[in-house]
Amino acid sequence: AQSVTQLDSQVPVFEEAPVELRCNYSSSVSVYLFWYVQYPNQGLQLLLKYLSGSTLVESINGFEAEFNKSQTSFHLRKPSVHISDTAEYFCAVTDASGGSYIPTFGRGTSLIVHP
Amino acid sequence: GAGVSQSPSNKVTEKGKDVELRCDPISGHTALYWYRQSLGQGLEFLIYFQGNSAPDKSGLPSDRFSAERTGGSVSTLTIQRTQQEDSAVYLCASSLGVNNSPLHFGNGTRLTVT
Repeated sequence: AQSVTQLDSQVPVFEEAPVELRCNYSSSVSVYLFWYVQYPNQGLQLLLKYLSGSTLVESINGFEAEFNKSQTSFHLRKPSVHISDTAEYFCAVTDASGGSYIPTFGRGTSLIVHP
Repeated sequence: GAGVSQSPSNKVTEKGKDVELRCDPISGHTALYWYRQSLGQGLEFLIYFQGNSAPDKSGLPSDRFSAERTGGSVSTLTIQRTQQEDSAVYLCASSLGVNNSPLHFGNGTRLTVT
């Protein structure tokens, strides 16, 4: 069974600083990878996803994530954060071989952006 | 179009009572998921429905938990004889039912058992 590790439960940063939220998964089988964001008092929404092709994927609000198969990682980065990026970020993995359609989620990382 | 709708948004109940949580998925989504979100625990998978197939109940924590999905659409999660440890946010999500489809989440039901 898959497991997803988000090493940092909380990441405080100042506005306009760069940030990296780490995500590692356990299995080396083919996977689909997702980052979801949960803004305060809202439901989770998709931020970006890796399905195939280029290992670097981007979101519309400046986040990017890179799939690294050898390190089984899918870290999320942003070169300059805004106050509005304050939210909970969840990494999720689905087995691409079709064995299970149930995504496994990490515990989440709380990004706190200070002015 | 309309997103995933969950009701109620908040529910406070006494220990030992039964509760029902409702989820109305996005029209046309064949897959429906229930997750539980507890503080610091991330998302815990509970149950998965896909079309007319038998649901995957492997995440239900005890036999006090059950769920059904009527007509391939609306789903109800029932917790019998609630305990304080059941207090959490219960999230419903739906998707197109293939493993590369992202999940669309509702805003959740915050359950508090007193």
